[in-house]
Amino acid sequence: DVKVTQSSRYLVKRTGEKVFLECVQDMDHENMFWYRQDPGLGLRLIYFSYDVKMKEKGDIPEGYSVSREKKERFSLILESASTNQTSMYLCASSLLQGLANEQYFGPGTRLTVT
Amino acid sequence: AQKITQTQPGMFVQEKEAVTLDCTYDTSDQSYGLFWYKQPSSGEMIFLIYQGSYDEQNATEGRYSLNFQKARKSANLVISASQLGDSAMYFCAMREANAGGTSYGKLTFGQGTILTVHP
Repeated sequence: DVKVTQSSRYLVKRTGEKVFLECVQDMDHENMFWYRQDPGLGLRLIYFSYDVKMKEKGDIPEGYSVSREKKERFSLILESASTNQTSMYLCASSLLQGLANEQYFGPGTRLTVT
Repeated sequence: AQKITQTQPGMFVQEKEAVTLDCTYDTSDQSYGLFWYKQPSSGEMIFLIYQGSYDEQNATEGRYSLNFQKARKSANLVISASQLGDSAMYFCAMREANAGGTSYGKLTFGQGTILTVHP
C-alpha cells in the first residue's frame, strides 16, 4: 500500500518561531510537492522537488523554504512563522515523467500560528 | 489568469441521483492531463479519474465519468447514483507538458466544490 506520511496532523506555533513540516514517501518517487490549502483558493503549490537536493519554486514560495537531502523525505520550513501562514499543508509525491501519473497525498498538517 | 476554474462553491444532490461538477481549464499546450480528486472531511486527497488531452473517449471509473469537451475546455465530473459517502470536497486539476514534452508532475488545482448528498 503506497504511503505518504506527514510528521504532524495538527500543529500550533507562535509568531516568529521556526517551523519544520516533514513529509516521507515510501514509493521511490522522484517528485515531491508541498501545497497549502485555504478555503476558496484550492491547493496552491509552494515548492516542489524532482530529485535529491533539487528544488523549484511554486506559485507561492515567499516565506517558505524546503530541503530534500534524501529521496524519500521532503521538508517544508517556515523560517519565521506568521499568522497568515495558518493553513492546511499537504505533501504529495509522484513519478518523474508521464502526464497520467497521479500525485499521492499525505494526510495533511493543520498549522495554526498564534 | 485562473488556469482551472470551478464555478460551483457548493452543490447538493439527493441520494441515488446523478450530479455534475463543473470544471473549465485554460492552457495553450496541446498535451495535458486532467484529474479529479475527492477530499472527505478527514482531509486526505483521493484520486478519482484521469483524462488525457489526446484521449478520444471520455474516461470512466465505476460511478465516476469525465465529460471532456476539448473545444470548450471543460472537464466536468459526473457522479452517478450518488451515495452519502460521496459528500466531500472535489477538486479538478491539470498537468501541462512543458515545451520539451516532459513534465515534472506539477498540478494546478481549482478552488474546489463541496458536494453534499442528502438522504
